[in-house]
Amino acid sequence: AQKITQTQPGMFVQEKEAVTLDCTYDTSDQSYGLFWYKQPSSGEMIFLIYQGSYDEQNATEGRYSLNFQKARKSANLVISASQLGDSAMYFCAMRPLYSGGGADGLTFGKGTHLIIQP
Amino acid sequence: KAGVTQTPRYLIKTRGQQVTLSCSPISGHRSVSWYQQTPGQGLQFLFEYFSETQRNKGNFPGRFSGRQFSNSRSEMNVSTLELGDSALYLCASSPSDRGRDEQFFGPGTRLTVL
Repeated sequence: AQKITQTQPGMFVQEKEAVTLDCTYDTSDQSYGLFWYKQPSSGEMIFLIYQGSYDEQNATEGRYSLNFQKARKSANLVISASQLGDSAMYFCAMRPLYSGGGADGLTFGKGTHLIIQP
Repeated sequence: KAGVTQTPRYLIKTRGQQVTLSCSPISGHRSVSWYQQTPGQGLQFLFEYFSETQRNKGNFPGRFSGRQFSNSRSEMNVSTLELGDSALYLCASSPSDRGRDEQFFGPGTRLTVL
């Protein structure tokens, strides 16, 4: 079984500042994938970034980077130079990776509501 | 390339009725997953289909069922609706069944049970 914990229910950040959204996880799987999704008020989930448990480098995608600390079981999302359009719910998720193919559903955290202030 | 589409976008039903939700994945995607999102329970995995076969199922009662057609389109059905089934139902598609594949989500169907 997997569990994702996001300890920040809400965050207020000034525009152009960097922001870190916390995510810790618990799993007994040796190989797993970690995902971050953004959900604006419209409701659609938007993929941001992926990190595999065996990836040696921290993932980056434009203004998004993932601070992956395997020993601490944390996968924090860092957004650099925040913009007003970044205001949304952010979800951390994970699922095991099977070498033979096949995939379980994503296990999501409760989310962090990020509000960017001008 | 068109994204994941879900129909209908909004539904209002009464307790005891049944409902069918539809999901059309991105062209070429063979895996479709369904999730339920509620304020209390958050996002929860319902089931995943790949090549017309249900590969995984979340912890939901048998009233929740689904299927996938040969063109990868998927439907989910909820029978004997309960008030607690009111939720946003999200469908997501992936190119394959690899765990590292990104899931592309649709806009969701918002179901209200009265």
